[in-house]
Amino acid sequence: KQEVTQIPAALSVPEGENLVLNCSFTDSAIYNLQWFRQDPGKGLTSLLLIQSSQREQTSGRLNASLDKSSGRSTLYIAASQPGDSATYLCAVIRSNTGKLIFGQGTTLQVKP
Amino acid sequence: NAGVTQTPKFRVLKTGQSMTLLCAQDMNHEYMYWYRQDPGMGLRLIHYSVGEGTTAKGEVPDGYNVSRLKKQNFLLGLESAAPSQTSVYFCASITSTRGGFYNEQFFGPGTRLTVL
Repeated sequence: KQEVTQIPAALSVPEGENLVLNCSFTDSAIYNLQWFRQDPGKGLTSLLLIQSSQREQTSGRLNASLDKSSGRSTLYIAASQPGDSATYLCAVIRSNTGKLIFGQGTTLQVKP
Repeated sequence: NAGVTQTPKFRVLKTGQSMTLLCAQDMNHEYMYWYRQDPGMGLRLIHYSVGEGTTAKGEVPDGYNVSRLKKQNFLLGLESAAPSQTSVYFCASITSTRGGFYNEQFFGPGTRLTVL
């Protein structure tokens, strides 16, 4: 059974700091891994998608890496800002039904 | 493109009442999903559909029914609502390519349901 774990569950950093969020998954036979952002009381915003054949994806200050062999992905946020405060979720697609398996999320607080 | 839309955005029900949540997508995606999100439990799959006229159970299907009569619509029904079904419900869709799922899964804005 595919399990997805995110560590840490919560993180508080001062503004301007570079930070890394971690995601691990137990079964490396995945199609892709997707990182989402969720603000309190809001829906999911897709940040980055890494296909199984790719090693990383970048969008602005965000960089996501994927190491299938070790079952790990990291989301790197450069020069963090208070507006980055949110919960970050990673999810993988493994099966032939396309359903996503989500981690529990990391709640990030960036202090001014 | 509107992407994935959900109706209604909010709803309060009394125990035993019924309702239907509507999900619509305009991206011609074959696959559609209903997830629920609860504090401490994360997002869990309720039901899904791999094409028009097909449905299948996910991780937490009890108490829910679904229908996919049209490719663009996926309906989630609660026949007799219970307080345990108080949650935020998200609909999502994706298309398959090269026999796999290498594209982004798109989510709707969610429906906040409270059952008293």
